[in-house]
Amino acid sequence: DGGITQSPKYLFRKEGQNVTLSCEQNLNHDAMYWYRQDPGQGLRLIYYSQIVNDFQKGDIAEGYSVSREKKESFPLTVTSAQKNPTAFYLCASSIDGALNTEAFFGQGTRLTVV
Amino acid sequence: GQNIDQPTEMTATEGAIVQINCTYQTSGFNGLFWYQQHAGEAPTFLSYNVLDGLEEKGRFSSFLSRSKGYSYLLLKELQMKDSASYLCAVRAYRGGNKLTFGTGTQLKVEL
Repeated sequence: DGGITQSPKYLFRKEGQNVTLSCEQNLNHDAMYWYRQDPGQGLRLIYYSQIVNDFQKGDIAEGYSVSREKKESFPLTVTSAQKNPTAFYLCASSIDGALNTEAFFGQGTRLTVV
Repeated sequence: GQNIDQPTEMTATEGAIVQINCTYQTSGFNGLFWYQQHAGEAPTFLSYNVLDGLEEKGRFSSFLSRSKGYSYLLLKELQMKDSASYLCAVRAYRGGNKLTFGTGTQLKVEL
């Protein structure tokens, strides 16, 4: 089945450690996105990529890094520079970032930093 | 940048109709989306508007007025399972067509 997969669903890390969240899609979508959601709040854009080997900062990119070496994969690294990393992280993809097509979301990764 | 406003919470009765409003300010508007999100789950796509008017899809309808920077999501024949957060999202040409979300409206459907 085609879809977008995030792993793991739950992740615990110690403060000061970098951690990488996985996002894979087999929908042949060009555009991919990372959002962060805090309790009772909407989604805030961290990074997005409209095409392989290219990505742009979103509204809250500080303390995060991404790569887009393959069309199917858009991993997000939460670095130790991110002051408040505990959150629900959602990855999404759409056919084309320029066309008006909806974004499909993965099931999310809940990151807890202790 | 973009500014998207939605009410924080709404309560409605099973079987009734509810309208969730969304206002936005943006440069280079290129489409408005509505998503439903149940607690702890991923958002799922409900509707899309890019031209003025009403789009109907079963029990859900969405309306857009570009000149007013206004949209609403209309839910008819409410069911208990409709209790969820409803997210309004706007796409704009400026900023690389990124999709920006509002904070969401938490809808509670009661008996």
